[in-house]
Amino acid sequence: DAGVIQSPRHEVTEMGQEVTLRCKPISGHNSLFWYRQTMMRGLELLIYFNNNVPIDDSGMPEDRFSAKMPNASFSTLKIQPSEPRDSAVYFCASRRAGGSYNEQFFGPGTRLTVL
Amino acid sequence: AQTVTQSQPEMSVQEAETVTLSCTYDTSESNYYLFWYKQPPSRQMILVIRQEAYKQQNATENRFSVNFQKAAKSFSLKISDSQLGDTAMYFCAFMKESGGSNYKLTFGKGTLLTVNP
Repeated sequence: DAGVIQSPRHEVTEMGQEVTLRCKPISGHNSLFWYRQTMMRGLELLIYFNNNVPIDDSGMPEDRFSAKMPNASFSTLKIQPSEPRDSAVYFCASRRAGGSYNEQFFGPGTRLTVL
Repeated sequence: AQTVTQSQPEMSVQEAETVTLSCTYDTSESNYYLFWYKQPPSRQMILVIRQEAYKQQNATENRFSVNFQKAAKSFSLKISDSQLGDTAMYFCAFMKESGGSNYKLTFGKGTLLTVNP
């Protein structure tokens, strides 16, 4: 199994630009999570999908952030317009319903730098 | 809301020795899961060990074991025979047993462990 795939691995952009992060969960997993990691706030959940439906988006910082999951094998996290404080590592994770101990499998992350 | 506290921002240990990382949590839930994740310099999040709150027996995975004290809301990680490859950031995480609705992980701030040769 290829694991959770995220692209790009690194993204450098200028303030005001639109940024789109992509995630492909593990095949057969029905839950998908987007986390953000910063030095100040640590790892925090942004949004969580179950069977392609957003369940909990309480962690999405503001309207500049949006996430979609058009099908079971693809999700995007979009920031428009981006700001320097959005610089962070963004992780995608997936989970299989009924999986042992509710384990979440993480992707390698996307390091975003907004100048 | 749940909170997870890791009181040791950094720790170091000599190769082959034993080290214990601390974690406490606050919750009103009775059923939940606890995890330790490892994040090496590669940035990949790797599950090290997990514990179900209803199980009294402490989980073990090879050189890794936990000391789960439910009443004290404590979940420490012991690494025996430390190896250079254990150098990483270690995160304690909590997930409530929600009956099928929300599998959100709440993380502590992490402990940076350095294993010295």
